[in-house]
Amino acid sequence: DAMVIQNPRYQVTQFGKPVTLSCSQTLNHNVMYWYQQKSSQAPKLLFHYYDKDFNNEADTPDNFQSRRPNTSFCFLDIRSPGLGDAAMYLCATSEGQEQETQYFGPGTRLLVL
Amino acid sequence: AQSVTQLGSHVSVSEGALVLLRCNYSSSVPPYLFWYVQYPNQGLQLLLKYTSAATLVKGINGFEAEFKKSETSFHLTKPSAHMSDAAEYFCAVSPTGGGNKLTFGTGTQLKVEL
Repeated sequence: DAMVIQNPRYQVTQFGKPVTLSCSQTLNHNVMYWYQQKSSQAPKLLFHYYDKDFNNEADTPDNFQSRRPNTSFCFLDIRSPGLGDAAMYLCATSEGQEQETQYFGPGTRLLVL
Repeated sequence: AQSVTQLGSHVSVSEGALVLLRCNYSSSVPPYLFWYVQYPNQGLQLLLKYTSAATLVKGINGFEAEFKKSETSFHLTKPSAHMSDAAEYFCAVSPTGGGNKLTFGTGTQLKVEL
């Protein structure tokens, strides 16, 4: 089945130690998104790629970066994780950018010690 | 800026009872609206979406929602709750006229009791 895959499902890192979260998709969608969801809160969009075009949300901290080396893969890099970055990170894809359904992966839960 | 408000962070119903989850939107023009469901430790799954076609939208798992412009609402309903419906439900809005960025409400946790 076509899907959005996130690895790992759980990630533990240390305060200040860089960490990378991975997302891949078999849907061949043009757009990939990263959301941050803190406990009992709504998902919040960090940034998205339309093909290779990167679009950062205005309030996304500089500590968060992303890479999309090809259509299938997208990475979220947290350069210096703080305790406040502990959250569920959700990857999503959509075929285009016009009111299209976003398909979500299962998420990676990040714990910062 | 567009936003959605979900009234009631927790809703509890008996199995077999009507489910009603409320969502109101704020937008200068009718936006596109979505309902997503999230089961524990999982990603979000689309239940249904409104994109300016029929105002009554039917989704998966027996859910439906009605877009009411006069009330700026998009409430989610299901006639008869099932234990498997227990989850968190998010209403989301996407702007018309381009772009696909979702702004989510704060979510409603649905509990289904025997």
